[in-house]
Amino acid sequence: GAVVSQHPSWVICKSGTSVKIECRSLDFQATTMFWYRQFPKQSLMLMATSNEGSKATYEQGVEKDKFLINHASLTLSTLTVTSAHPEDSSFYICSASGTSGGASGEQFFGPGTRLTVL
Amino acid sequence: EDQVTQSPEALRLQEGESSSLNCSYTVSGLRGLFWYRQDPGKGPEFLFTLYSAGEEKEKERLKATLTKKESFLHITAPKPEDSATYLCAVQANDYKLSFGAGTTVTVRA
Repeated sequence: GAVVSQHPSWVICKSGTSVKIECRSLDFQATTMFWYRQFPKQSLMLMATSNEGSKATYEQGVEKDKFLINHASLTLSTLTVTSAHPEDSSFYICSASGTSGGASGEQFFGPGTRLTVL
Repeated sequence: EDQVTQSPEALRLQEGESSSLNCSYTVSGLRGLFWYRQDPGKGPEFLFTLYSAGEEKEKERLKATLTKKESFLHITAPKPEDSATYLCAVQANDYKLSFGAGTTVTVRA
């Protein structure tokens, strides 16, 4: 149990375009989802926290107008990178926490999405 | 601000050569300390959660321990398939995870 999927697994786009990444909890209801980004050989940096049905809370330094997060249901959250630029190229990972039967507060991670902006 | 420091950055082991990874932390109100394994190009895979000093957990060749200031991940008689980056993270009362930079373990046959 506690499986989280992401789609797509990788995407290449042109500078200036927008890209949407989906994060789904497959076998549990995710009351909270988290979005991270990871640069090569660095650790995960939290970008934002989203609770179902409410606005996302962004970490300091993360542009909320550039990284749009929607958590419309208990199984789906989306991250849209708007007007992407090469510096946005990174590995984006989501995690979900909720009524999975796991330890309190435990987060289950998706497989990640590799974004390359040309 | 929560801080997590992992050492060493990289560890090269011979198959069967046991070793330990360190995770030192400062956090205001620790809810839990998590260990994850991450393979290249993949998301973190959950290994352990530790909640209080003195707690220990084991899974196959891995054993995690926790004190008030640090955690250790012991790898006993590692195999090449144990090669990965091991991430430590602390969770504070706001449920957010703060990650360390990780230790990349390479086990040679």
